[in-house]
Amino acid sequence: SDVLTQPPTVSVAPGQTATITCEGNNIGTANVHWYQQKPGQAPVVVVFDDSARPSGTRDRFSGSHSGNTATLTINRVEAGDEADYYCQLWDGNTDHYLFGTGTRVTVL
Amino acid sequence: QVLLQESGPGLVKSSETLSLTCDVSGGSIGGYYWSWIRQSPAKGLEWIGYIFSDGSSNYNPSLHSRATISVDPPRDQLSLKLTSLTNADTAVYYCARTGRAVVSGPLNIWGQGLPVTVTS
Repeated sequence: SDVLTQPPTVSVAPGQTATITCEGNNIGTANVHWYQQKPGQAPVVVVFDDSARPSGTRDRFSGSHSGNTATLTINRVEAGDEADYYCQLWDGNTDHYLFGTGTRVTVL
Repeated sequence: QVLLQESGPGLVKSSETLSLTCDVSGGSIGGYYWSWIRQSPAKGLEWIGYIFSDGSSNYNPSLHSRATISVDPPRDQLSLKLTSLTNADTAVYYCARTGRAVVSGPLNIWGQGLPVTVTS
């Protein structure tokens, strides 16, 4: 089905590691992108093509992809990382874009 | 720097048609994939559809053919029409562009978003 499932919430202490998963049958060989969205703002790409970082993204953010699961990892979490995170891909079988269900990262 | 700005009514009535425009500045329509995306608390981010600068397009089937996206390259504008509105169409509507000329690329340029409320 056309669903990308993420955990609704991830809570992490400052300095620790946050791991956000994105699971779906559509992931397969797709390029997965990750967005960070803070309240009242548009989403911003933090990782693209599974593991590449835009020039403005800190190297504390990393992505990986294995089988039907993509993962966004945030190392040495800071208070400023508190936001909603979404995975997204283009499904080559249907020619549709899909967004994940979203994960709220809370810094304790 | 490419900037996108959505415009249109913030309040529309149920059963009517929503018409939104996205103005592109700092760049041109040509050579990229342009999308409309909406966001509501109930559904999170929902892709509405995309259009390439040559006019080819595709849409989210969940909208049951209610959406139409068009581009006006001379005016550097992107448009969305959504018919037969219901309360479920209440959302913040974004226009966005891929960062490169491939449909699978990330949406790395977004407008600020336009809140739209559908009233009964």
